[in-house]
Amino acid sequence: AQKITQTQPGMFVQEKEAVTLDCTYDTSDPSYGLFWYKQPSSGEMIFLIYQGSYDQQNATEGRYSLNFQKARKSANLVISASQLGDSAMYFCAMREIYSSASKIIFGSGTRLSIRP
Amino acid sequence: NAGVTQTPKFQVLKTGQSMTLQCAQDMNHEYMSWYRQDPGMGLRLIHYSVGAGITDQGEVPNGYNVSRSTTEDFPLRLLSAAPSQTSVYFCASRQQGKLFFGSGTQLSVL
Repeated sequence: AQKITQTQPGMFVQEKEAVTLDCTYDTSDPSYGLFWYKQPSSGEMIFLIYQGSYDQQNATEGRYSLNFQKARKSANLVISASQLGDSAMYFCAMREIYSSASKIIFGSGTRLSIRP
Repeated sequence: NAGVTQTPKFQVLKTGQSMTLQCAQDMNHEYMSWYRQDPGMGLRLIHYSVGAGITDQGEVPNGYNVSRSTTEDFPLRLLSAAPSQTSVYFCASRQQGKLFFGSGTQLSVL
């Protein structure tokens, strides 16, 4: 069954440090996609990065990169040089391409707080 | 460019009342979905639709109905509201895997 797990309810990081947010997943679908979304205190959902299961390289978008380890079924988000504006909730999500009618499910989220 | 529009933004109901949360998108996306967000539980999928006339249940469908008569609209109905349905509700459409979210509806059921 499709499942996403985020084991870090909250994290505190010093400004300018790198931070890794953990995400593990479970699926029997050979083709799937993994996403990260950011939700600041304003409540909007902001798309950050996407990784396809057959992509050969880890996805990167500016300061965001996705550390994709397929054998371990993990898709950790790495934020380099953290900024105060990175303080937010972060959600990992997954879409199974062939099964589950391609619905997207989310993990429980990690609240990231950046200290000045 | 409106994107995904949800109404209302806030709503207070009494137990047993019914209401419809509206969701409309102007991007011609076939896929639309409803999520609820509760503290510590992330976003949970309520119902989704892969096109007009087609709907299916997500992770937490009980207490909610949906219909999809047009590509643009995907309303979520609460037939008899319960306090357990107090939550923030997000509508989202999808294109090429990426979700586009509405701004959310904060619903309180007393």
